[in-house]
Amino acid sequence: AQSVTQLGSHVSVSEGALVLLRCNYSSSVPPYLFWYVQYPNQGLQLLLKYTSAATLVKGINGFEAEFKKSETSFHLTKPSAHMSDAAEYFCAVPAGFQKLVFGTGTRLLVSP
Amino acid sequence: DAGVIQSPRHEVTEMGQEVTLRCKPISGHDYLFWYRQTMMQGLELLVYFNNKAVMDDSGMPKDRFSAKMPNASFSTLKIQPSEPRDSAVYFCASSLVDRETDTQYFGPGTRLTVL
Repeated sequence: AQSVTQLGSHVSVSEGALVLLRCNYSSSVPPYLFWYVQYPNQGLQLLLKYTSAATLVKGINGFEAEFKKSETSFHLTKPSAHMSDAAEYFCAVPAGFQKLVFGTGTRLLVSP
Repeated sequence: DAGVIQSPRHEVTEMGQEVTLRCKPISGHDYLFWYRQTMMQGLELLVYFNNKAVMDDSGMPKDRFSAKMPNASFSTLKIQPSEPRDSAVYFCASSLVDRETDTQYFGPGTRLTVL
């Protein structure tokens, strides 16, 4: 069964620094891969989605992710962190029709 | 569209009481999901529906939890009797089978505290 692994439960960066959040998928190439963001006391919001149309996917708020088959990875990046990016980020992969399996999440902390 | 609506946003109850959580999916969406989020277990899928029928409830404790979807615009998750270990944030999400296959839209969640 498909699964995703997120390395690092917490990532701390300074405002203006590069953000890199890691996600690896488990086995065969999935048709889709997702990044969701959860701000404090809110539900999950779709950040971006890979659909095999392009390996580099641009999402909201300046985030992007690159699908790398050779590394079974779909890492999330942002060139310059803002204080407002502080949130928890989840990688997800389909696990049956319309069903998603989520990673354990990475909490991004941004310091001034 | 108003998005996925959940009520109540917060619920505090005592052990042994019945709790009912409510969800209104995005209009026209034909899949509805109930998740539970805790610090220890992360985000867990409890049950999901397609066109009001249960597709998979393997993640739901059957002895005390029940989920229903009486119509396309309303679902409930009931816990009876509630226990302190049920304390968590419960999310409802919905999706539509079209070009946005597998993209789920989440509600704001219900924070449940069982004393």
